[in-house]
Amino acid sequence: TAGITQAPTSQILAAGRSMTLRCTQDMRHNAMYWYRQDLGLGLRLIHYSNTAGTTGKGEVPDGYSVSRANTDDFPLTLASAVPSQTSVYFCASSESSGDQETQYFGPGTRLLVL
Amino acid sequence: GQNIDQPTEMTATEGAIVQINCTYQTSGFNGLFWYQQHAGEAPTFLSYNVLDGLEEKGRFSSFLSRSKGYSYLLLKELQMKDSASYLCAVRDSNYQLIWGAGTKLIIKP
Repeated sequence: TAGITQAPTSQILAAGRSMTLRCTQDMRHNAMYWYRQDLGLGLRLIHYSNTAGTTGKGEVPDGYSVSRANTDDFPLTLASAVPSQTSVYFCASSESSGDQETQYFGPGTRLLVL
Repeated sequence: GQNIDQPTEMTATEGAIVQINCTYQTSGFNGLFWYQQHAGEAPTFLSYNVLDGLEEKGRFSSFLSRSKGYSYLLLKELQMKDSASYLCAVRDSNYQLIWGAGTKLIIKP
């Protein structure tokens, strides 16, 4: 079982360029999430989706957008990248957004914005 | 504001026991999670606590005291493969996970 896949694995991006980070899960999970992880900080939620067709803003949504056209895919777009968006990005999913639902993580995308 | 505190780094010896503490101040509480993250990899789920007390799962146990805003992860019979970061996360009143920065555990032979 693939679980959650992310693409690309890593990327170097020039400031001002746009980029879409892809995330696909094959577990038919309803809820999906995008986090960024920076050294010395906890995972920070960027955007989330509790079910296909709905999205919400997390703790650090500025500069990012998402869409959830179907259950499996949850792409994250940087419209005009800035160096502060250099980070490791993790996509995660859970069966629902309820109390005990464990989040399962993809392998991450390492992004360097120059 | 919301805050999760964990020690930045701990060192322990192979075969020994180590306790990683986590204290939290969050807007509401709907459960506490522990995840393991090896360097360069994704976090993976270890344990979940929502009621006070100890949850045991093999070599790993997790304890919660909601009145004290406190949890710990206990790792027994440490193995070299346990060298990793351990992340504490609390689900708040909005059902979002608030994450600590993680504790890097170094296991020495």
